[in-house]
Amino acid sequence: EPEVTQTPSHQVTQMGQEVILRCVPISNHLYFYWYRQILGQKVEFLVSFYNNEISEKSEIFDDQFSVERPDGSNFTLKIRSTKLEDSAMYFCASSEYGTSYNEQFFGPGTRLTVL
Amino acid sequence: SQQGEEDPQALSIQEGENATMNCSYKTSINNLQWYRQNSGRGLVHLILIRSNEREKHSGRLRVTLDTSKKSSSLLITASRAADTASYFCATGSNDYKLSFGAGTTVTVRA
Repeated sequence: EPEVTQTPSHQVTQMGQEVILRCVPISNHLYFYWYRQILGQKVEFLVSFYNNEISEKSEIFDDQFSVERPDGSNFTLKIRSTKLEDSAMYFCASSEYGTSYNEQFFGPGTRLTVL
Repeated sequence: SQQGEEDPQALSIQEGENATMNCSYKTSINNLQWYRQNSGRGLVHLILIRSNEREKHSGRLRVTLDTSKKSSSLLITASRAADTASYFCATGSNDYKLSFGAGTTVTVRA
C-alpha cells in the first residue's frame, strides 16, 4: 500500500543551524502538508502546498520556514535558523484532493531536536 | 477555532471491552477524521466522516457525527492490546488544514 515516507527519522542540530526535512508524498497525490507536534501537545498545522505554491500557512510558519518541491517526488521543509522551541516531531502529509474532500495521509515523522 | 477537543483525556479498559471517546468542535466543518498514534510514532488515518453523514463503520470502528451538537464519537469494539494508542479527531473545512484536538490516550489491559 502506498505511504508517505520521511527522512531522517531523527535530526539533532545546534541552535541557529539550518535543517531540511524531507518527505516523499504518495505518488498520485496533489496536495502536500507539514504539521508539527511539540512533545505532549496537539498536532499543529504549518503549511499546505499545491501546484508548486503555498496554498495556506499558519502563524507558526514565519520567514524562518520555507517549503519546496525540488523534483517530482520530494517535498521539503527548511528551517533557516533553528531555535530551541523548534524541537518537535514534524509530520508530512499528502492528499489526493483538498481537505474538504479527502483524507490526509501522514508520514512517520521526523523528530527534530535543537540543542 | 475549529479545533476538536476529545473527551476523556485518558481511558483504561480491559481487553475485549468497548472504548468510546468523544470529540467536540466549535465551527461548521466539511468532514471530521479520526487518527491513531502509537507512542512516539506517526499518525495513522482511521476513518473520515463527511458533514452530511451521521454514522460510519470500518471493521471494529464506529464513528458518529452530530453536526447540530458539533460532536463526534469513536467507538472501538472488542478492544485488543494493540489498540493501545492515542486517538485524535481532526476537522476539515473549506481551507486546507486539519485542526487537531488534544487526543484521548487509550490503554487496553490484557
